[in-house]
Amino acid sequence: GQQVMQIPQYQHVQEGEDFTTYCNSSTTLSNIQWYKQRPGGHPVFLIQLVKSGEVKKQKRLTFQFGEAKKNSSLHITATQTTDVGTYFCAGPKRSSNTGKLIFGQGTTLQVKP
Amino acid sequence: GAGVSQTPSNKVTEKGKYVELRCDPISGHTALYWYRQSLGQGPEFLIYFQGTGAADDSGLPNDRFFAVRPEGSVSTLKIQRTERGDSAVYLCASSPTGVNQPQHFGDGTRLSIL
Repeated sequence: GQQVMQIPQYQHVQEGEDFTTYCNSSTTLSNIQWYKQRPGGHPVFLIQLVKSGEVKKQKRLTFQFGEAKKNSSLHITATQTTDVGTYFCAGPKRSSNTGKLIFGQGTTLQVKP
Repeated sequence: GAGVSQTPSNKVTEKGKYVELRCDPISGHTALYWYRQSLGQGPEFLIYFQGTGAADDSGLPNDRFFAVRPEGSVSTLKIQRTERGDSAVYLCASSPTGVNQPQHFGDGTRLSIL
């Protein structure tokens, strides 16, 4: 079935270092969404990408959607301790008009101060 | 305004018991989703409501799981004859109308089956 995969599963960085997580879908996606889940918290929507090759920035976060609309990445510049959490990408189920999302397994970021 | 509210926040029960988990979505949101999240995994889709009807229940693992949304607002996820493998965090999310929209999640119900 349709799958969304993320790498790496875990990343430990020193505060101030950069961080990147990669997301790959087994099928072409109409759009991709990114969520952040803090330890003990719930997923919080960050951004949605729709267009092929789209790049969006939110302060230190840069999101990219691949040209083939099958992969995406999230890059954080100069990480801070507030960036700690698990980052999930999610894409809609193919040929579905229900908004059902298929989530990756997430990348958990630890930042050492 | 108020976010998605889920109750209880924690539920511990014995194998074989029946449980009900409640979700109160953001006011005015017609789309409501239930997901299940196990440790170290992403949310796994269970069921989607558009208004009062279950538009997609393809994620329900078996017929022990059932959900309702009788008035198009509050939803209840019901699990019969619980098994230890049902232990997980059950997340509810809502969005204004559904397709291709950001989903707003509640804090979840942590269900533990002993």
